[in-house]
Amino acid sequence: KQEVTQIPAALSVPEGENLVLNCSFTDSAIYNLQWFRQDPGKGLTSLLLIQSSQREQTSGRLNASLDKSSGRSTLYIAASQPGDSATYLCAVRIQGAQKLVFGQGTRLTINP
Amino acid sequence: GAVVSQHPSWVICKSGTSVKIECRSLDFQATTMFWYRQFPKQSLMLMATSNEGSKATYEQGVEKDKFLINHASLTLSTLTVTSAHPEDSSFYICSASGTGGIWTEAFFGQGTRLTVV
Repeated sequence: KQEVTQIPAALSVPEGENLVLNCSFTDSAIYNLQWFRQDPGKGLTSLLLIQSSQREQTSGRLNASLDKSSGRSTLYIAASQPGDSATYLCAVRIQGAQKLVFGQGTRLTINP
Repeated sequence: GAVVSQHPSWVICKSGTSVKIECRSLDFQATTMFWYRQFPKQSLMLMATSNEGSKATYEQGVEKDKFLINHASLTLSTLTVTSAHPEDSSFYICSASGTGGIWTEAFFGQGTRLTVV
């Protein structure tokens, strides 16, 4: 059974810092991995999608990497801003099924 | 990115009544949609996978007769919570992927906050 873990559960940093969020998964048989952001009381916003054959994806100040063999992904946020404060979720789409398996999320707070 | 619209964004209903939540893909066709439930400060729990024109596939432990899912078209799926009770109060979110299926991004609706009183 695929399990996805995100560390840390919560993170608070001053504005302007670069930071890394971690995601690990137990079964490397995945189609892809997706990072999301969720603001309180809202739905999920897709940030980045990495296919299983890819190593990284970039969008603006965000960079996500994938090491499928070790079951790890990282989301790097450069020059953090207060508006980046949210819960970040990673999810893997497992082979043999269409569904996404989610981690518990990292609650990020950027302090002005 | 693609847009998934969920309606209503919040609803309050009396215990014993039924509530319907709609999920629409606005600019793409979604063969498959997913329904999730989220408890406070927790991650998403998949309830069921909804396939256009066929019966939904429910996850273990999810009551099929309580959570009715209909996916009548390629752009609309509905979740009906029947005979709602206070323990059904939760945040419900739908998602859909584009025509590339498993290879494409999953897009999510805004969520529906259901409160049963």
